[in-house]
Amino acid sequence: GQQVMQIPQYQHVQEGEDFTTYCNSSTTLSNIQWYKQRPGGHPVFLIQLVKSGEVKKQKRLTFQFGEAKKNSSLHITATQTTDVGTYFCADLSNSGYALNFGKGTSLLVTP
Amino acid sequence: NAGVTQTPKFQVLKTGQSMTLQCAQDMNHEYMSWYRQDPGMGLRLIHYSVGAGITDQGEVPNGYNVSRSTTEDFPLRLLSAAPSQTSVYFCASSYSARGYEQYFGPGTRLTVT
Repeated sequence: GQQVMQIPQYQHVQEGEDFTTYCNSSTTLSNIQWYKQRPGGHPVFLIQLVKSGEVKKQKRLTFQFGEAKKNSSLHITATQTTDVGTYFCADLSNSGYALNFGKGTSLLVTP
Repeated sequence: NAGVTQTPKFQVLKTGQSMTLQCAQDMNHEYMSWYRQDPGMGLRLIHYSVGAGITDQGEVPNGYNVSRSTTEDFPLRLLSAAPSQTSVYFCASSYSARGYEQYFGPGTRLTVT
């Protein structure tokens, strides 16, 4: 199936700094989903992007889908300690029946 | 709604033993799946089901069996445990496979010695 690559693997920021994680694919994606997993927890759905160039916001989080539908990004403005966790992107496989997850970006926020 | 439940939370097995990880959902979701999560590897799909009686393999199916006799339950069987199966296992469900958010269970942490 398709494989999405996430960068960076780790990011350590001071509270109040911005953070961005990127999800890239060599092939066109049908849609992209983003999940957050707190340490010791389970993945929780954040958002789904479907349209080329789509931008969605959730408070301090901004999600973008590239014009060519080959990349996506998650930007957090003014990070807080509650943002700590691993952020995963996931794309729908060619069959449409499986989600392929990236390896995630682990965010550490220090006060 | 309890959402997606998994039992047990923790399990230690010896090499060669078999066991079943339980997963249940009360949201009447068609689609259910099993993932394993290893450090630095993200979530890898083991098996999935698009409805009762229908299952298929994911990326890493070897050593695991599944069945789906009811909409609610999707157990994962380890046939003969190996140390390489030490991992955290997550069950997930969604309304449908195509483009719907997945709800994850709390996970089962399995250690095979």
